[in-house]
Amino acid sequence: DAGVTQSPTHLIKTRGQQVTLRCSPISGHKSVSWYQQVLGQGPQFIFQYYEKEERGRGNFPDRFSARQFPNYSSELNVNALLLGDSALYLCASSRTTVNEQFFGPGTRLTVL
Amino acid sequence: GQQLNQSPQSMFIQEGEDVSMNCTSSSIFNTWLWYKQDPGEGPVLLIALYKAGELTSNGRLTAQFGITRKDSFLNISASIPSDVGIYFCAGQHNQAGTALIFGKGTTLSVSS
Repeated sequence: DAGVTQSPTHLIKTRGQQVTLRCSPISGHKSVSWYQQVLGQGPQFIFQYYEKEERGRGNFPDRFSARQFPNYSSELNVNALLLGDSALYLCASSRTTVNEQFFGPGTRLTVL
Repeated sequence: GQQLNQSPQSMFIQEGEDVSMNCTSSSIFNTWLWYKQDPGEGPVLLIALYKAGELTSNGRLTAQFGITRKDSFLNISASIPSDVGIYFCAGQHNQAGTALIFGKGTTLSVSS
């Protein structure tokens, strides 16, 4: 079975722009979580979705939003990009909200 | 955001040596997980622990869930060059919508 896939792999944006990142979970997994990882740190939780509903939100500003589709894929949107949003954005899928989370390769976002 | 205390921050060892790293938290977790991350990739799940006191092995890797539920450790025996990477511990409260809380990582270097 295919693992978690994310697109795009890399992205370069300028301050003030908006970005959409995409994630497809492992087949059979109904929960998707998003994490932000800046250089030298562990991943920080942004959102968790299960069955298309938001089940958890981390300490991130309202510029960050996400949604989950009927096929359980997910999008993360970030508006009004800041330089500090530059990071590796990771998507993780799990069968439910409490099972092991398996990560995708990430999207490297650079904000200039 | 919240992060776990993970130590050591980095390790430089010779091939064949054993390695030990640990993670502590001020709060109780119901699940401890250990991940390995290679440069430019997403974290890969190594071991998941679900019960206090549980000792679980995966090949040369052994991890334990601390009795207090506030700590965990990972041992790697007979290290090899491909063990190089960043190892992260993560805790989860197992409630709907709760995130993985990560440590800052232990960077392992192995010289042959």
